[in-house]
Amino acid sequence: GAGVSQSPRYKVAKRGQDVALRCDPISGHVSLFWYQQALGQGPEFLTYFQNEAQLDKSGLPSDRFFAERPEGSVSTLKIQRTQQEDSAVYLCASSLTVAVKSNQPQHFGDGTRLSIL
Amino acid sequence: AQSVTQPDIHITVSEGASLELRCNYSYGATPYLFWYVQSPGQGLQLLLKYFSGDTLVQGIKGFEAEFKRSQSSFNLRKPSVHWSDAAEYFCAVAPNSFSGGYNKLIFGAGTRLAVHP
Repeated sequence: GAGVSQSPRYKVAKRGQDVALRCDPISGHVSLFWYQQALGQGPEFLTYFQNEAQLDKSGLPSDRFFAERPEGSVSTLKIQRTQQEDSAVYLCASSLTVAVKSNQPQHFGDGTRLSIL
Repeated sequence: AQSVTQPDIHITVSEGASLELRCNYSYGATPYLFWYVQSPGQGLQLLLKYFSGDTLVQGIKGFEAEFKRSQSSFNLRKPSVHWSDAAEYFCAVAPNSFSGGYNKLIFGAGTRLAVHP
């Protein structure tokens, strides 16, 4: 498809398990973002990649969260030793260019809904 | 720190009525401003954006927004609401970085719009 694809759409895990969430951005998009959206809240920035370089990880809530984009395309967000407060929708977005002031918007995927029991 | 406030958590309007969703931001300079819409189980779709210039911005689906610097506001409007407009609406800002910065979005908590037939 032409859009941002995220998998799985839903993930249920027991507290303490590790999870991996995948994002396939639109082909050729340089910028890739991860956001966390708690129930009833707006998305909150987690991390940003420019091609394969992770330039900003200031939003990652703890060292249990790790993201990578080794070939500058697909990205994986990994959460180790999950806790109940990690339950949220994780959104991935990509955009064609780097610069803020462009006509290329961020395209969002449908998200992965993560539930920690 | 930058922040975005959407004072109305829920709004209900009748189909065909006009709509205004409020958004206020806190930022030292004029940021880049965005409105996104999110349908249940979906990602976010960009409605419109403001970078500079004309303070009245036209978007998709008949929406418009007006930037008012004196009020630090960027309210979203639509003259006649359709039932399909029922969704959650998010206002977002991106820091106006002159270093070619990327589009790190800061979202408000959202306004849920219900439309009565």
